[in-house]
Order: sequence, then C-alpha cells, then structure tokens
Amino acid sequence: ETGVTQSPTHLIKTRGQQVTLRCSSQSGHNTVSWYQQALGQGPQFIFQYYREEENGRGNFPPRFSGLQFPNYSSELNVNALELDDSALYLCASSSPGTLAGINEQFFGPGTRLTVL
Amino acid sequence: AQTVTQSQPEMSVQEAETVTLSCTYDTSENNYYLFWYKQPPSRQMILVIRQEAYKQQNATENRFSVNFQKAAKSFSLKISDSQLGDTAMYFCAFMKQTGNQFYFGTGTSLTVIP
Repeated sequence: ETGVTQSPTHLIKTRGQQVTLRCSSQSGHNTVSWYQQALGQGPQFIFQYYREEENGRGNFPPRFSGLQFPNYSSELNVNALELDDSALYLCASSSPGTLAGINEQFFGPGTRLTVL
Repeated sequence: AQTVTQSQPEMSVQEAETVTLSCTYDTSENNYYLFWYKQPPSRQMILVIRQEAYKQQNATENRFSVNFQKAAKSFSLKISDSQLGDTAMYFCAFMKQTGNQFYFGTGTSLTVIP
C-alpha cells in the first residue's frame, strides 16, 4: 500500500508569483484535504476535494485554488504569492466509511514553501 | 466556531518517565472526535490516538492514553515509559462528527532526555 506523497519537498518563490503543489493520495482513498502550517502553528484547513469536487473550504482567499484528478491525486495552486504564504503545506487523504465512521486522514510529508 | 488550545509550548521528560500534555477545546457540538497527532522532524503527521466524544471510556494505545473530560472540554495525553523516539511536536485536534476538517491546536514540542 503506497502512502501519501507530495512534491516538491521544498520550493522557493518570489512575491507575486504563482505556485502549484502536488499530492498523490493513498491507494484506495478518494478524498484529499489541504492544510497550511505556518512556522510555530498548527495546520489550518484550506479545502477538501472529494471525487473531483470541492467539499468544504476554510478561511482562505480565492487565490488558493485546487483540483482533484480522476486518479484522486490533487493540486493546490496559489496565485499572487505573498510573504505570509511561506509555510509547510500538508495534504491528507482519506476514504469515507472507514473505522467507526471516522474519516481517518493520512498525511503526507508536506511541501515547504518559502516566499521571498 | 471550534477552537483548540494547547497551553504548553514546550515540555521535556526523562527517558522512561511519564509525561502529560494538556489540551482544551471549545465547541457547541455534542458529538465529535478528538485526536492527538505526532509530528517528528520528518514533518509527517502521525496519528497517536483518537477519542469519540460519545464514549466515556478513555482511549488507550500501548504507552499512550488520554484523559477525556467532556464537561470540562479537556483532552490530555499521557505518555508512559517515554522513549527517545517520542521526541516530536504533538498536536491536539478536533473534528465535528459530521465534519471533514481538523481544527488543530498550536502544538507542544516534547523532548525526551536520555
């Protein structure tokens, strides 16, 4: 069973640029969630994709967008990068209906984005 | 809105000793789930233990156990026989029963001292 993978591991961009981060979900999982973890903070929910549709969104501006593909992998796109977008971006995959109805989420290792 | 508070930014414990990490939360929900996640330097979040709010019995996973006090909205994690590999950031997290997102605390950095 393949775990959740993310690419790239690290990324450096300049303010105003656009970035795309990628996530491959764990085998058999059809749901991907994205989180932003600023330095010294807990992860904050950005949005979730279920079967290629957005299924909930946190308090992030529209310049944060996403996609989910038929193989359930996902992309997070951020436009017009700002310095405060510097963070670790985590994705987590899950499959509804698992143990006790809890959508147990499995996290990837994250992408460290630095905006200069 | 749901909030999760971890009031101990850093803690340390001697190897083989016991340590307790604190977590409180605020919610108007009656049914929900609570979690403790571990984030080692490798950055990958690993589930340590979870608790369903409707269960009165505290969850236990080997050396890890919780003290869940629903009325007080408290959810502490006890690590017994601490090991060097327990060194990590520990995050307390909340999820509504009908929800799909975690609400995380700010984390507690735990160092196990040999």
